[in-house]
Amino acid sequence: DSGVTQTPKHLITATGQRVTLRCSPRSGDLSVYWYQQSLDQGLQFLIQYYNGEERAKGNILERFSAQQFPDLHSELNLSSLELGDSALYFCASSVATISGTSGVSTDTQYFGPGTRLTVL
Amino acid sequence: GQQLNQSPQSMFIQEGEDVSMNCTSSSIFNTWLWYKQDPGEGPVLLIALYKAGELTSNGRLTAQFGITRKDSFLNISASIPSDVGIYFCAGLPQGSARQLTFGSGTQLTVLP
Repeated sequence: DSGVTQTPKHLITATGQRVTLRCSPRSGDLSVYWYQQSLDQGLQFLIQYYNGEERAKGNILERFSAQQFPDLHSELNLSSLELGDSALYFCASSVATISGTSGVSTDTQYFGPGTRLTVL
Repeated sequence: GQQLNQSPQSMFIQEGEDVSMNCTSSSIFNTWLWYKQDPGEGPVLLIALYKAGELTSNGRLTAQFGITRKDSFLNISASIPSDVGIYFCAGLPQGSARQLTFGSGTQLTVLP
């Protein structure tokens, strides 16, 4: 058990709908990362939050958004869902201390069990 | 973006055999991580490497951070059936883009 929790474990919805995935990081971790894993692709980084603020963006679609709340849990919102959005969505967390002037220094990331999203 | 080349893509080995997999990059990395993922589960961290030349073990697993900082390998000795899964390398590239880059994974099958 990594200490990162994600809910729900499974989600089945229809095209055009909107869903919210939730993540609680390990106790003490300030950074949360979201990843998408499709069958034919590896882990794709979507977005990172550090202590409530967006820190880095990867290949995240305009239809997707995220936020991190004061209690450090995070939500990933997926809207106008398409069939191709079906995938495993993982959240990871790390301590992530500030490193000099180069911005946030990420350290080892621990992954949650994931949410399997199926869009029909 | 950054690219990690992980090989082999898949391996079939007999129980008890040793196995080796590696990741290479054209860019310098500051951190190398090795994860194992079981079907439908999240990646589980196996070994973390933070210094060039570092050799770290975790039970039957050994990983090394290459001297050039552009590669890393993972060895599993005396494989057992529960070693089955997908192994991913991940690296944190040097520079301001502090995002983990993942390899494409090595699917390991251990035959009894």
